[in-house]
Amino acid sequence: DIVMTQSPDSLAVSLGERATINCKSSQSVLNSPNNKNYLAWYQQKPGQSPKLLIYWASTRESGVPARFSGSGSGTDFTLTISSLQAEDVAVYYCQQYYSTPPWTFGQGTRVEIK
Amino acid sequence: EVQLVESGGGLVKPGGSLRLSCAASGFTFSTYGMNWVRQAPGKGLEWVSSITSGSSDTYYADSVKGRFTISRDNSKNSLYLQMNNLRDEDTAVYYCARVPPELRYSDSWGQGTLVTVSS
Repeated sequence: DIVMTQSPDSLAVSLGERATINCKSSQSVLNSPNNKNYLAWYQQKPGQSPKLLIYWASTRESGVPARFSGSGSGTDFTLTISSLQAEDVAVYYCQQYYSTPPWTFGQGTRVEIK
Repeated sequence: EVQLVESGGGLVKPGGSLRLSCAASGFTFSTYGMNWVRQAPGKGLEWVSSITSGSSDTYYADSVKGRFTISRDNSKNSLYLQMNNLRDEDTAVYYCARVPPELRYSDSWGQGTLVTVSS
């Protein structure tokens, strides 16, 4: 199984500042034939269900603010919130959907306001 | 608007059974794969099971294989999870989630239904 490890487990960022979350997979999730990374990011606000933010490692889902961006390839990925807003307080999860199941999630990163 | 509404959760004793349902609306259900994902209290997300649009393929996490069965009825726009031989560690909120065609991530999620396994 592919193990997904996020860092840090939590971070506190001032409003308007940048937040960076890392996600590392135990094996590459890059599919060479189509050059796509099978990696998604989700946001889960307190008391709510998860929401898809990014897929293919860097493609924003429709309606997701441009301050959210995804980058990386192979085994190392990053979710960046360029200017943290109060409504971004949430737990963020990465998930790989490469090849055969299980399609595993990272343990989550909690983002708070400093 | 895409809507996914789970039901069927509740309190059950270890070894018992429950059947979860997910009612879908606002999209052509028969063209999407579906996932069940769970979240134990205060914990992270765990993929549980998936089914393709036409039910030809089903997949399970090792932790539930042989005990849970995923199914769907496209004529009723409904997804199901039959859970047998439940264990304490199955206690969680269970979410159904939509999977875009030919893909495997979840682009829409329901609000979840709580399953509590306890004696």
